[in-house]
Amino acid sequence: EIVMTQSPATLSVSPGERATLSCRASQSVSSNLAWYQQKPGQAPRLLIYGASIRATGIPARFSGSGSGTEFTLTISILQSEDFAVYYCQQYNNWPRGLTFGGGTKVEIK
Amino acid sequence: EVQLVESGGGLVQPGRSLRLSCAASGFTFDDYAMHWVRQAPGKGLEWVSGISWNSGSTGYADSVKGRFTISRDNAKNSLYLQMNSLRAEDTALYYCAKDVTSFPEYYFDYWGQGTLVTVSS
Repeated sequence: EIVMTQSPATLSVSPGERATLSCRASQSVSSNLAWYQQKPGQAPRLLIYGASIRATGIPARFSGSGSGTEFTLTISILQSEDFAVYYCQQYNNWPRGLTFGGGTKVEIK
Repeated sequence: EVQLVESGGGLVQPGRSLRLSCAASGFTFDDYAMHWVRQAPGKGLEWVSGISWNSGSTGYADSVKGRFTISRDNAKNSLYLQMNSLRAEDTALYYCAKDVTSFPEYYFDYWGQGTLVTVSS
């Protein structure tokens, strides 16, 4: 199983600042990585796939980068609605399954 | 508009069974693979199982392999999860999620709101 490790667990950021979230895979997943946003009481929402491609309707302030084992999600100018938990997910290991990272909570500083 | 509506959750005793359902609408159901993803209270996301468009390919997390069975009925636009030998650690909100392709190998572009399963005596 590929283990996905996200850091930090919690990120305290002020509105208007940049947030940088990390995701590391225990072995290469190429660019087969997605990012999701989850707000309290809501289902996750797809933000990024292919490590760097924004999903439909996702604002340009969200960007993804990386390949292999190291990935980054950057939120360039944090808006109030961006405070949430973010998860990465690899999809390079079928049929051995799909795996999520443990999540990073972005909270208001 | 894509809609995924889960049902079938509830309180169940350890060792018993439960069957979850997911009713899909707003897209051509038999064109896409589908998945179940769960989230224990206050915890992160865990992929549980996936099934291809024609049920020809399925996959399971190690934590549920041999106990859970995923299936679908394309005529009814429905996805199912049969959960047997339930354990306390299966307690979670279970989401139904749509894959972006016909094969359960990728990521999820739509999610339901989930159905809560509580395993307790």
